[in-house]
Amino acid sequence: AQRVTQPEKLLSVFKGAPVELKCNYSYSGSPELFWYVQYSRQRLQLLLRHISRESIKGFTADLNKGETSFHLKKPFAQEEDSAMYYCALSGSRDDKIIFGKGTRLHILP
Amino acid sequence: DTGVSQDPRHKITKRGQNVTFRCDPISEHNRLYWYRQTLGQGPEFLTYFQNEAQLEKSRLLSDRFSAERPKGSFSTLEIQRTEQGDSAMYLCASSPRGPEQYFGPGTRLTVT
Repeated sequence: AQRVTQPEKLLSVFKGAPVELKCNYSYSGSPELFWYVQYSRQRLQLLLRHISRESIKGFTADLNKGETSFHLKKPFAQEEDSAMYYCALSGSRDDKIIFGKGTRLHILP
Repeated sequence: DTGVSQDPRHKITKRGQNVTFRCDPISEHNRLYWYRQTLGQGPEFLTYFQNEAQLEKSRLLSDRFSAERPKGSFSTLEIQRTEQGDSAMYLCASSPRGPEQYFGPGTRLTVT
């Protein structure tokens, strides 16, 4: 079955502390993995995708095929990072996206 | 604003009524997707168009749901005989190619 699992509904981190949002996936094949972010009162937007291997807003994510994980990391949290984060995958020809349930990241001052 | 737009942003309707939502994708994007998001869940795929052709429908899309994309431009999603379980955020996304999708602000449906 195709599935994305985000085990944490809420993650509270102090400003300046490291952040790690966990994501595991189940997919038979080679999916493309993404992180989408939704800031308060804004639309869902792409944060990063594994094939680009970029660092966006200080966030990085490494695809670990052995552990089927795609955890999102940032070394030093900032208050503006507070948002809802969704891990997602796409693998079918129609490129539909399968989302996890999301993790709310709350940065404490 | 040249992003994906959706109308209306909010809709309150009584159970049993029909509702229709509209999505205007980014103009050069030939792929258009509909998702539904309920409280505490991530968006769930409903259906997908490439130009005017509806190529896939999720099992979530019951017979009461119908979507169209005439002329491959805007799309409409209609729900007939609404039920309380239809209350959700309905999201539209568009894409030029590949899996990177651009989302609209969503239409929040409340069925009373």
